[in-house]
Amino acid sequence: EVQLVESGGGLVLPGGSLKLSCAASGFTFSNSWMHWVRQAPGKGLVWVSRIPGGVGTPTYADSVKGRFTVSRDDARNTVFLQMNSLRAEDTAIYYCARGEYSFDYWGQGALVTVSS
Amino acid sequence: SHDLTQPPSVSVSPGETASITCSGDELGDKYAWWYQQKSGRSPVLVIYQDAKRPSGIPERFSGSNSGNTATLTISGTQAVDEADYYCQTWDTNTAHVIFGGGTKLTVL
Repeated sequence: EVQLVESGGGLVLPGGSLKLSCAASGFTFSNSWMHWVRQAPGKGLVWVSRIPGGVGTPTYADSVKGRFTVSRDDARNTVFLQMNSLRAEDTAIYYCARGEYSFDYWGQGALVTVSS
Repeated sequence: SHDLTQPPSVSVSPGETASITCSGDELGDKYAWWYQQKSGRSPVLVIYQDAKRPSGIPERFSGSNSGNTATLTISGTQAVDEADYYCQTWDTNTAHVIFGGGTKLTVL
């Protein structure tokens, strides 16, 4: 059974940092593209970042480029999202999802709240 | 424009057919995907590559994509289908994923 489990969410001050993790199981993680998608309270889905399986360059939405960094540890079947210089508008549920051009499996999400 | 436009809401009576549209420049030249998101839950893929159904998705869900519009059709809509629906495509130039704004389907 495919499982994606996010962790690391919480409350952070504006300008602060937070690192999300997504632990994967039930499939060959090293070959899989992984993404982060976020959803602000009461709003729609917004793509944040993707990291290819194997060799490849991560890609970011313009709204987070230069502030967020996606990485992966294939030995631990885990993908990460390092979020720096956080803003109030980054407040959202952050989902990790598997897929190359679409997302066939999603995690349960991690809530990130940026507030003073 | 790389935006995808969906109607904010669609209402349908039980047993009737619901159609949710997704519009974007030359969308028919790309693939479209559709996700269902029930309240408080993670999204679920219901249509991929315009018209294919993943395993476990009921046959009443179907999709099409031509010109500038992709359409998700739910035949014989049931109360359990009440949810938000999102279309999605892929910008091959930037490698960015694009979501539509979402449509709230109400089954009256």
